[in-house]
Amino acid sequence: EPEVTQTPSHQVTQMGQEVILRCVPISNHLYFYWYRQILGQKVEFLVSFYNNEISEKSEIFDDQFSVERPDGSNFTLKIRSTKLEDSAMYFCASSELGTLDGYTFGSGTRLTVV
Amino acid sequence: GQQLNQSPQSMFIQEGEDVSMNCTSSSIFNTWLWYKQDPGEGPVLLIALYKAGELTSNGRLTAQFGTTRKDSFLNISASIPSDVGIYFCAGQPREDNQGGKLIFGQGTELSVKP
Repeated sequence: EPEVTQTPSHQVTQMGQEVILRCVPISNHLYFYWYRQILGQKVEFLVSFYNNEISEKSEIFDDQFSVERPDGSNFTLKIRSTKLEDSAMYFCASSELGTLDGYTFGSGTRLTVV
Repeated sequence: GQQLNQSPQSMFIQEGEDVSMNCTSSSIFNTWLWYKQDPGEGPVLLIALYKAGELTSNGRLTAQFGTTRKDSFLNISASIPSDVGIYFCAGQPREDNQGGKLIFGQGTELSVKP
């Protein structure tokens, strides 16, 4: 079964450093998403991406965040200057047509900011 | 903003018992979804509901999309130890026409005693 792959599974970074979280969406999917889950809390939408541009973003997705599809397979989330409160699980998801058919989440990257 | 209120927050039951959890919102949702999340993993889709009043089963799981489009429930019958995990409701808001943002509930943590 096709999977969304995220790397690394766990990243520890110092406050103020930049991090890039990587995702390989399912190959024929056109819509890509990032979500965040702070420990013990609900999953929160960050951003959706289609046709090489952001289609929607939440209030959480401020200027320190950016997304990119640098090539035909990867989808990245960059956090420019990490803060302690950025510590969370970050989930990538993809869907074929922006509908719920085939909407699939990756296993996540646990980001720890120290 | 759009919010899903999920209850109960946690449940501790005996193996073999039935379980019921629900989500409500003040907003209308086009679609309701139920996910299960195991520790350190991403959410995995259990059931998707697309029409008001729809009742859908997946094995021992049954979910319904409320007729007002503002609520949904999930039932698990004859629980087994592997049902342990966190269950999330999620929905696609009616206003969302930009490609698939999901709003999640706070989750119900299920513990099953053998």
